Amino acid sequence: SQQGEEDPQALSIQEGENATMNCSYKTSINNLQWYRQNSGRGLVHLILIRSNEREKHSGRLRVTLDTSKKSSSLLITASRAADTASYFCATDATGANNLFFGTGTRLTVIP
Amino acid sequence: DTGVSQNPRHKITKRGQNVTFRCDPISEHNRLYWYRQTLGQGPEFLTYFQNEAQLEKSRLLSDRFSAERPKGSFSTLEIQRTEQGDSAMYLCASSRTDRDYTFGSGTRLTVV
Repeated sequence: SQQGEEDPQALSIQEGENATMNCSYKTSINNLQWYRQNSGRGLVHLILIRSNEREKHSGRLRVTLDTSKKSSSLLITASRAADTASYFCATDATGANNLFFGTGTRLTVIP
Repeated sequence: DTGVSQNPRHKITKRGQNVTFRCDPISEHNRLYWYRQTLGQGPEFLTYFQNEAQLEKSRLLSDRFSAERPKGSFSTLEIQRTEQGDSAMYLCASSRTDRDYTFGSGTRLTVV
């Protein structure tokens, strides 16, 4: 079974609006990563946040991490039609040798 | 070396046939991973290599699946006696540490 769950499963917004996606996970982690996937394509790494970090920014992306609640959020500001994709969180769990992925949020940005 | 390369991009096979996929990782990455992704789901871990050693296998990797990385460079994933339930995207990733994962574009398998 997968490590995490994302919420919402699908999100549709107008171009220019902000998009927020949430991720919950189950175990202790070394870091949490967010990936983007265009339909039928591979995964593209967006941002990594370490377990001792609470917030991180990269361009229009803002990620938060709350290890006490085992949750993370990804905020995309000023969305563009090109941001339309599926977004996955992935945890690097303590003691594991691989990433555990959530179920993903399908984001649609309407021009 | 610009990224992780996977071949073929698409494979359609009849049920019962064997298929083999190839992954060429980033050359300086000693870690290599295989994942499977079904429609509407996140990727699920299959197996992990460090150099040529296969260090971890998921319970998803049934006896019909075998993966190799003979010289610690490219890897192959073979599925024997394919079943319709094997239809999925098979993703390969490589890394140098436990953080810098780079994924390939995947091989989409359709079993008919």
